[in-house]
Amino acid sequence: QVQLQQWGAGLLKPSETLSLTCAVYGGSLSGYYWSWIRQPPGKGLEWIGEINHSGSTNYNPSLKGRVTISVDTSKNQFSLKLSSVTAADTAVYYCVRTRRIVGAPRQNYFDYWGQGTLVTVSS
Amino acid sequence: SSELTQDPAVSVALGQTVRITCQGDSLRSYYANWYQQKPGQAPVLVIYGKNNRPSGIPDRFSGSSSGNTASLTITGAQAEDEADYFCHSRDSSSNPVVFGGGTKLTVL
Repeated sequence: QVQLQQWGAGLLKPSETLSLTCAVYGGSLSGYYWSWIRQPPGKGLEWIGEINHSGSTNYNPSLKGRVTISVDTSKNQFSLKLSSVTAADTAVYYCVRTRRIVGAPRQNYFDYWGQGTLVTVSS
Repeated sequence: SSELTQDPAVSVALGQTVRITCQGDSLRSYYANWYQQKPGQAPVLVIYGKNNRPSGIPDRFSGSSSGNTASLTITGAQAEDEADYFCHSRDSSSNPVVFGGGTKLTVL
């Protein structure tokens, strides 16, 4: 059974850099994309970006320029950095395994989720 | 604003059938996936692709699509189905992922 365990700082000041890491247990990074998704309190889900085991990335255009997702295959981990945070970045952040839909290129779904990390940005 | 539109809230009597819908132009070309989220928990995938259920998801959950509307149907809703439900698909523009705003399901 695949498990994703994530960690990182939960309280940031405006302009600081958010940093989260997600470890994958019970499976390999290979063969999948790995995403970060966030959810502001009481609101909906927003995809941040994804990476595969080779380091190929895709980002949400609305966050591109502030986001960096990286992978460490030796540790079976991937990480998120979001720079210049503001209160609008306050959210629960999830790391997620991304699967491609068979027979439907360019379409995916999210099958395993981390426990979530609440990141609060406040001065 | 989301390019997938969901009703904010839907209610169903215990044991009855309920349909939760998701509308968007991209659904004419792409599948919708559905996630269930209970308070304080991470979302759980309940339907993906044409109409596939992950292991462990009861068969009372099913998915369908017509035109620009995708639907999640719960046949014989149970108390434990009370949750928020989000649809997800591909955006036809440069953003490859888009979510609906979510539907809060109340089981009466």
